[in-house]
Amino acid sequence: QKEVEQNSGPLSVPEGAIASLNCTYSDRGSQSFFWYRQYSGKSPELIMFIYSNGDKEDGRFTAQLNKASQYVSLLIRDSQPSDSATYLCAVNAGANDYKLSFGAGTTVTVRA
Amino acid sequence: GAVVSQHPSRVICKSGTSVKIECRSLDFQATTMFWYRQFPKQSLMLMATSNEGSKATYEQGVEKDKFLINHASLTLSTLTVTSAHPEDSSFYICSANPAYNEQFFGPGTRLTVL
Repeated sequence: QKEVEQNSGPLSVPEGAIASLNCTYSDRGSQSFFWYRQYSGKSPELIMFIYSNGDKEDGRFTAQLNKASQYVSLLIRDSQPSDSATYLCAVNAGANDYKLSFGAGTTVTVRA
Repeated sequence: GAVVSQHPSRVICKSGTSVKIECRSLDFQATTMFWYRQFPKQSLMLMATSNEGSKATYEQGVEKDKFLINHASLTLSTLTVTSAHPEDSSFYICSANPAYNEQFFGPGTRLTVL
């Protein structure tokens, strides 16, 4: 059973600050890593994916992957009230194994 | 990104009835789709993997006779909750992968069983 753990939160940050979300995974063979955002009552929305060690930036979002430490993180810069949501970390084995293992999610609240 | 639709978005039914939920990939073909269930304030729980042209693969603890999955075509998978009971009330979400690795979710179906 693949395990994915996230900071339980909730995480409260002021508008304009950086929100930092962390995720660890147990399966060392995991290949692909995803961050989803889920607003209350809605389904998850893919915001970032990363496959290689290092950083990947997309607008205000930066994903960081360290396979040796089995750690993936998401930074949200210049946080906005619209970023208030639950962020889900997900992992799969890759190589055509598309089944995802999800963390429990971290709820982020951005204070105006 | 790829688009996945679900129908209906919300359904209320009486205990003992069956409910069918449709999941469609609108702009790509999907040989594999996934069905999840999410209870309030909990994370997603994978129920089953739907495979086009073959039987679904169910996760441990999920009753295959209660949650019937049919993947009739490369763009359509259906989940039927048979003899629904109040404890089946939940948010059901499907997902699919286009040719690449990223998985996209449908908007979800909120089922309430009275």
